[in-house]
Amino acid sequence: EAGVTQFPSHSVIEKGQTVTLRCDPISGHDNLYWYRRVMGKEIKFLLHFVKESKQDESGMPNNRFLAERTGGTYSTLKVQPAELEDSGVYFCASSQGPGSGAYEQYFGPGTRLTVT
Amino acid sequence: ELKVEQNPLFLSMQEGKNYTIYCNYSTTSDRLYWYRQDPGKSLESLFVLLSNGAVKQEGRLMASLDTKARLSTLHITAAVHDLSATYFCAVDSSGGGADGLTFGKGTHLIIQP
Repeated sequence: EAGVTQFPSHSVIEKGQTVTLRCDPISGHDNLYWYRRVMGKEIKFLLHFVKESKQDESGMPNNRFLAERTGGTYSTLKVQPAELEDSGVYFCASSQGPGSGAYEQYFGPGTRLTVT
Repeated sequence: ELKVEQNPLFLSMQEGKNYTIYCNYSTTSDRLYWYRQDPGKSLESLFVLLSNGAVKQEGRLMASLDTKARLSTLHITAAVHDLSATYFCAVDSSGGGADGLTFGKGTHLIIQP
């Protein structure tokens, strides 16, 4: 079974540019999460989708970040315009959810974003 | 605001020794997760602890949860070099089981031959 995949693995962009990150969850997982780790800090929750609906976006830093999950499958996270402080590793995770009794979140390899 | 504190943040130990990583959290959640991360790799799920008194073991690693003390421990027995990694604990934000996780800063573990 394929795990959570993310694309690209690395992205280097200039301040002011736009970047779109993609996450493909494990097939059949309704829950999809985005997290970010800024260098030297904790891994921080950004938002949570249940199928195509945003369940919780309390962790989104500001309106320069837009996440979508059309059709309830893969998700994209767009940063526009990017700022220097957006640099970090963006992780995606998925889970089946409590309805199935399975709480475990499976993480993707992450996208390392560098804004210069 | 939920806070998760791990200690130590850095640990260097020799093979064959035992040690414990501690994870304290500030809310009444009864779901706690331990993850392992190797350099440049993703987070690998080690344990999911779902209730007070839960204890799980896998190889040389054993995790336990005391929800009353809001404390989880990850115990390493007779450490081997392959266990060198960064270990994170995380707590379900509201205890609902499908919410975003709040992570500790991670414990960077180096096991020397």
